[in-house]
Amino acid sequence: EIQMTQSPSSLSASAGETVSITCRASQIITSDLNWYQQRPGEAPRLLISAASTLHNGVPSRFSGSGSGTDFTLTITNLQSEDIATYYCQHSHSLPFFTFGPGTKVTMK
Amino acid sequence: EVQLVESGGILVQRGGSLRLSCAASGFIFSDYTMHWVRQAPGRGLEYVASVTSNGGSKFYAGSFEDRFTISRDNSKNTLYLQMGSLRSEDMAIYYCARGEDYWTGSHMDVWGRGTTVTVSS
Repeated sequence: EIQMTQSPSSLSASAGETVSITCRASQIITSDLNWYQQRPGEAPRLLISAASTLHNGVPSRFSGSGSGTDFTLTITNLQSEDIATYYCQHSHSLPFFTFGPGTKVTMK
Repeated sequence: EVQLVESGGILVQRGGSLRLSCAASGFIFSDYTMHWVRQAPGRGLEYVASVTSNGGSKFYAGSFEDRFTISRDNSKNTLYLQMGSLRSEDMAIYYCARGEDYWTGSHMDVWGRGTTVTVSS
């Protein structure tokens, strides 16, 4: 069974900074990796699919990279509206769609 | 506007049953796989179940299959989750989400706002 881990579990950064979140799969998942954003009190929202494809309407300050087992979500020029918890999710094989534990991003 | 609206979440006694619904609009419901994802208070997202566009294939995470049943009615543009033998750990916000009808390499691109299930002892 594919397990997903994320690091760090939380981070704090100042507006305008660049932050990176790492997601690791317990086995190779090629590029079958999605990133979601969940702002406080809101439903999740798709940010990036297939490891690096930005979803419609997502600001270009978000980017994704990686393949195999290691993936990164990068937010450049952090904005207040980016305060949220970020989840990775694989869609490679059974059991599908497992989420990582999440990374909470707060503003300094 | 593409929209998913969940309903049916209530306060239910431990051991009880409940059916959640998710009404879809703004897209051709019968073209898409649909998913249920839940989130316990203060916890992360937990994948629950999926059903393909024609209802022919279903998949459940972990131990949900013995207590939960996912289904859909394409004539009503509605997704369902029948839950039984409810436990305190089933207390969560339940989200429905839209996905593609292939699963490898797919994603969940539209989400509802969720419906809250509370389990009392």
